[in-house]
Amino acid sequence: SQTIHQWPATLVQPVGSPLSLECTVEGTSNPNLYWYRQAAGRGLQLLFYSVGIGQISSEVPQNLSASRPQDRQFILSSKKLLLSDSGFYLCAWNIQGRGYFGPGTRLTVL
Amino acid sequence: QKEVEQDPGPLSVPEGAIVSLNCTYSNSAFQYFMWYRQYSRKGPELLMYTYSSGNKEDGRFTAQVDKSSKYISLFIRDSQPSDSATYLCAMTIQGAQKLVFGQGTRLTINP
Repeated sequence: SQTIHQWPATLVQPVGSPLSLECTVEGTSNPNLYWYRQAAGRGLQLLFYSVGIGQISSEVPQNLSASRPQDRQFILSSKKLLLSDSGFYLCAWNIQGRGYFGPGTRLTVL
Repeated sequence: QKEVEQDPGPLSVPEGAIVSLNCTYSNSAFQYFMWYRQYSRKGPELLMYTYSSGNKEDGRFTAQVDKSSKYISLFIRDSQPSDSATYLCAMTIQGAQKLVFGQGTRLTINP
């Protein structure tokens, strides 16, 4: 069966510090991968998606970036975090129209 | 106008009640419809997946799609406190890369 991993589970970072969140998928090949952010009490905001290695589509302009160095690895990064980057970051993959989510990373920027 | 509209609630009902959660959408091209359940501080979990108009039942959960009205529903029978969560609807078009989500409805079942 397919499994999606995210780490870390929780992260507290100061404003201006860098960020790297990692997501890996097991049990499938060439998945479509997604990064979402969910602010407190808000809906899901799609940040990036990738249909293959090195292929990244950005949904919103911001100080975040994404990379896909391997088929089943998706990384979310920032060079300098802002207070507004706080939120719950979710990695997901999509097969035949069905989306499956990882456990998420709760990021607090202070 | 958002592509998918979902009443954010919050919705609070007594244990054992029948719960109805709803979403409306504007894009008639949507073909696949999903409901997710998200517990606090957890990732969303796929609960129901439907393709055609009509009803799909899974235990206490029934998903209903009315494409003519562009309206989908999730019914929960014999609701339990463990059903307390945020429920998100989502939909997509065959071959599309992205799902479109509703805002989510926060549901509380009171013992």
